Amino acid sequence: IQMTQSPSSLSASVGDRVTITCRASQSISNYLNWYQEKPGKAPKLLIYAASNLQSGVPSRFSGSGSGTDFTLTISSLQPEDLATYYCQQTYSTPWTFGQGTKVEIK
Amino acid sequence: QMQLQESGPGLVKPSQTLSLTCTVSGGSFSRGGYYWSWIRQHPGKGLEWIGYIAYSGTTYYNPSLKSRGAISIDTSKDQFSLNLSSVTAADTAVYYCARVRATTSAYFDYWGQGTLITVSS
Repeated sequence: IQMTQSPSSLSASVGDRVTITCRASQSISNYLNWYQEKPGKAPKLLIYAASNLQSGVPSRFSGSGSGTDFTLTISSLQPEDLATYYCQQTYSTPWTFGQGTKVEIK
Repeated sequence: QMQLQESGPGLVKPSQTLSLTCTVSGGSFSRGGYYWSWIRQHPGKGLEWIGYIAYSGTTYYNPSLKSRGAISIDTSKDQFSLNLSSVTAADTAVYYCARVRATTSAYFDYWGQGTLITVSS
């Protein structure tokens, strides 16, 4: 299953609402996860099963969608959100990731 | 707090076998409902899932590896390992180990810090 994220990169100001989209090549129900990768660090789980916030993750992060179209929203962008964000499907093996969306701070 | 730590050679020669180990601490390695997985990231690229092993020993590999991968588990040491045979420069990447929580869905909730493996003569 191919996962396509858009945009590939974005630049936004602190406090902005940021939305990242992930589209699956076939229906994956809600088997969709989001990860945050900061420079030089391992990826960190943000959202699992499309809309469930992982423990310890700030509430400004939220996820939605089902079937083929999903979104990750950062309600108020913070400087520490500088990172690359990946979606991942675990509906069927081989599990696959999107190509990533790089978020920069203006 | 669960922690995972990869260990490996850093540099591997082409055609040789890459061997990596992930040591798990701070949690129960033998609990059901979890898989133990390897993921890699080529320089400047995205994430590629390699495969997983369950505590029972059941494995699954990404077909992209073309049958070169083998994941094993040592429950006595709370470790699992990846062997990747016949490596080429295309296997140069940061390799991560991770725990997969597998209940009604599956997601990678704990990751190691990653280890860079370079394939070069």
